[in-house]
Amino acid sequence: EDQVTQSPEALRLQEGESSSLNCSYTVSGLRGLFWYRQDPGKGPEFLFTLYSAGEEKEKERLKATLTKKESFLHITAPKPEDSATYLCAVHTGNQFYFGTGTSLTVIP
Amino acid sequence: EAQVTQNPRYLITVTGKKLTVTCSQNMNHEYMSWYRQDPGLGLRQIYYSMNVEVTDKGDVPEGYKVSRKEKRNFPLILESPSPNQTSLYFCASSLQGAGGRYSGANVLTFGAGSRLTVL
Repeated sequence: EDQVTQSPEALRLQEGESSSLNCSYTVSGLRGLFWYRQDPGKGPEFLFTLYSAGEEKEKERLKATLTKKESFLHITAPKPEDSATYLCAVHTGNQFYFGTGTSLTVIP
Repeated sequence: EAQVTQNPRYLITVTGKKLTVTCSQNMNHEYMSWYRQDPGLGLRQIYYSMNVEVTDKGDVPEGYKVSRKEKRNFPLILESPSPNQTSLYFCASSLQGAGGRYSGANVLTFGAGSRLTVL
């Protein structure tokens, strides 16, 4: 059964305190792994796509990495505006499977 | 502006009263899909459509219907809503559904969401 698990469920960081979010997956035929950011009351917004183990993508304070079983979203020196829920999703051809997300709060 | 538009954004209805949530995209995307988001369960796919006249069930299709008569529109129909369908619903589209690893082809663009309450 295709499954995506994210941890931790919630994370509180001080401004500037770096950390990582985890997304582990068990799917057959991975076609891509996606990270999205969701702000309260809004739809998810795309951050990164990763296709192959060893691939890395960076954008400002965020860096996403991928292995054969999991992906990490590294947040370096976060700011309060990085507070949001971060969702991981896997694409298996026709369908997308989402994790339950990590709710990140960055305290000034 | 490239976007996915859902209506209504908020709706309170009663059990058994048929309703339709509309979804429209202006990006000429082939792939469209519907999700429901519930606390602790995350986003779950209800139905998806690879292209016009092609639809298929996702993980939680019971109690829902869809149609894809035009490329830009993908309405979600609740024939006889029940309280367990109270949820936050999202429509999303991407350039392609299945396919190769063309960068960006499978990136989903989401609508703003429709919060449905069934009493």
